[in-house]
Amino acid sequence: GQSLEQPSEVTAVEGAIVQINCTYQTSGFYGLSWYQQHDGGAPTFLSYNALDGLEETGRFSSFLSRSDSYGYLLLQELQMKDSASYFCAALTGGGNKLTFGTGTQLKVEL
Amino acid sequence: NAGVTQTPKFQVLKTGQSMTLQCAQDMNHEYMSWYRQDPGMGLRLIHYSVGAGITDQGEVPNGYNVSRSTTEDFPLRLLSAAPSQTSVYFCASSGRGVTGQGNEQYFGPGTRLTVT
Repeated sequence: GQSLEQPSEVTAVEGAIVQINCTYQTSGFYGLSWYQQHDGGAPTFLSYNALDGLEETGRFSSFLSRSDSYGYLLLQELQMKDSASYFCAALTGGGNKLTFGTGTQLKVEL
Repeated sequence: NAGVTQTPKFQVLKTGQSMTLQCAQDMNHEYMSWYRQDPGMGLRLIHYSVGAGITDQGEVPNGYNVSRSTTEDFPLRLLSAAPSQTSVYFCASSGRGVTGQGNEQYFGPGTRLTVT
């Protein structure tokens, strides 16, 4: 089966940098996506890595290493509004199926 | 654009009842999908569709049916509700990506379903 592992909780202070790791075991892997979800809200897309390396989008960056079955999301200049759950998700099934990890709850403190 | 819309927002069903959760998108996306999210867990794919008339099963399809007669609509039917189907249901859509269509998905606001 498909599985993705993430830390359940991460705490950091405002203005800091935090890294959320994701390791995966999947078949037919196409790429790794990251989603943010605030309490009671819908997931929103953050980034997608199809190739090895770093993708940067503003304060957020995402990294993928296919050989290590590993990726991470890097959040810089943390703000209180970044407090949310973050999910990694593996794209498989011919590029049509997303399998989500169980999520990392990020708490940003003053 | 309204994006992805879902109705109802909340629903309470009794065991054995059936109902349809509605999902619509106005972005002309070919790909649509349904997920369920249980407390403290990630989303699990129920069914997906890569275009009108084409549907396929996801990770947890049992107890659910879908059809896709138009590009815009992708309803999810619960055949005979069970307490185990108490969950938050999200519909999502995606345009064609570089590889496949499930890459960048836009989610609706969700339907919170309770089965007693």
